[in-house]
Amino acid sequence: TQLLEQSPQFLSIQEGENLTVYCNSSSVFSSLQWYRQEPGEGPVLLVTVVTGGEVKKLKRLTFQFGDARKDSSLHITAAQPGDTGLYLCAGAGETSGSRLTFGEGTQLTVNP
Amino acid sequence: GAGVSQTPSNKVTEKGKYVELRCDPISGHTALYWYRQSLGQGPEFLIYFQGTGAADDSGLPNDRFFAVRPEGSVSTLKIQRTERGDSAVYLCASSMDSRRTGELFFGEGSRLTVL
Repeated sequence: TQLLEQSPQFLSIQEGENLTVYCNSSSVFSSLQWYRQEPGEGPVLLVTVVTGGEVKKLKRLTFQFGDARKDSSLHITAAQPGDTGLYLCAGAGETSGSRLTFGEGTQLTVNP
Repeated sequence: GAGVSQTPSNKVTEKGKYVELRCDPISGHTALYWYRQSLGQGPEFLIYFQGTGAADDSGLPNDRFFAVRPEGSVSTLKIQRTERGDSAVYLCASSMDSRRTGELFFGEGSRLTVL
């Protein structure tokens, strides 16, 4: 069974601060995705990373896939209240086809 | 509609009852997924369909859970003899093609409460 561990589980910061969320596993993933979920809604895809060492930037968000394709991080610069939500990483295993394994999520609260 | 539609949005039932949850995917999406999400947890995989067939049902917790997609579009998740532990949000997602890991488009979920 492939497991993804996210840390921290909860994060409460002030507007303007920077933060990093981590997603770690002992398994290798063929690709890894980050989703954001708001209360009462389904997760929405932010990014997909597929190459070890890959870095992708989406405005104030920077995503990195580990060289060994076992871990990933999400860095947010100058957080805003609109960034508040549950951030989920999800990995596609090399032998699990398109079945995604989700981490337990990081609940981010950005206070104005 | 433009997105994935799930009905009902909320369902309250009594222990032992039968429940059906419906998912209407994005038109043209061949892959359809069911996940279950408990409070404070990430989504847990249940089953996915490529077309009409269940390509992977290894996440179904036991034989009380069953899902169908008879015409390759709408899917129904069926839960027999519901238990309190079945209470969760059941999420449906669709994607263009399950053979490549692409974006999953999720519905808003069906919140099931078993009393």
